[in-house]
Amino acid sequence: DAGITQSPRHKVTETGTPVTLRCHQTENHRYMYWYRQDPGHGLRLIHYSYGVKDTDKGEVSDGYSVSRSKTEDFLLTLESATSSQTSVYFCAISEGYGYTFGSGTRLTVV
Amino acid sequence: GESVGLHLPTLSVQEGDNSIINCAYSNSASDYFIWYKQESGKGPQFIIDIRSNMDKRQGQRVTVLLNKTVKHLSLQIAATQPGDSAVYFCAENGENFNKFYFGSGTKLNVKP
Repeated sequence: DAGITQSPRHKVTETGTPVTLRCHQTENHRYMYWYRQDPGHGLRLIHYSYGVKDTDKGEVSDGYSVSRSKTEDFLLTLESATSSQTSVYFCAISEGYGYTFGSGTRLTVV
Repeated sequence: GESVGLHLPTLSVQEGDNSIINCAYSNSASDYFIWYKQESGKGPQFIIDIRSNMDKRQGQRVTVLLNKTVKHLSLQIAATQPGDSAVYFCAENGENFNKFYFGSGTKLNVKP
């Protein structure tokens, strides 16, 4: 998917545990995003980044944090996973107009 | 890749027919719109975009129409093929050119 990789592809974790999802790009794009996709809600923005160490909240940021220490990596952390965070997570990259999406991570919190 | 089983509006068309997928957007300040296609097990893929200073834009077999008066977008697919079967999302940029908000999607089923 145009130089964007998400890891892991699947993860099952227990309630209360920390989880980190990784998004890695080789396109040197400035903007990076984390979305979650749930039935009936479409894609909702969690956090985004507009440069190294520059991040901002999206519409569903509660319970999530992000970090971007390098242009190519954008990490999404669930500090203490809850069942409501069971979802498919997509990373996207952009140079200003339109996104390129990764293949997604399916996270199940049990 | 991943996708979810969405409880979506569904459009069923016969192979070879034209398809029209509609989308209502919410923010009158949005000035840039994109249609994405999501196949099962994959991330959304860019199809076509349009800026607010245009009413129509054509691509290969696809046309996007924008009606700003009623905040409506449509995606027309000519001569629909089985490979067009997917979920289609519209996205608007709200008041921020690099942050997009997505509709809930429409599932297109193409019958052979």
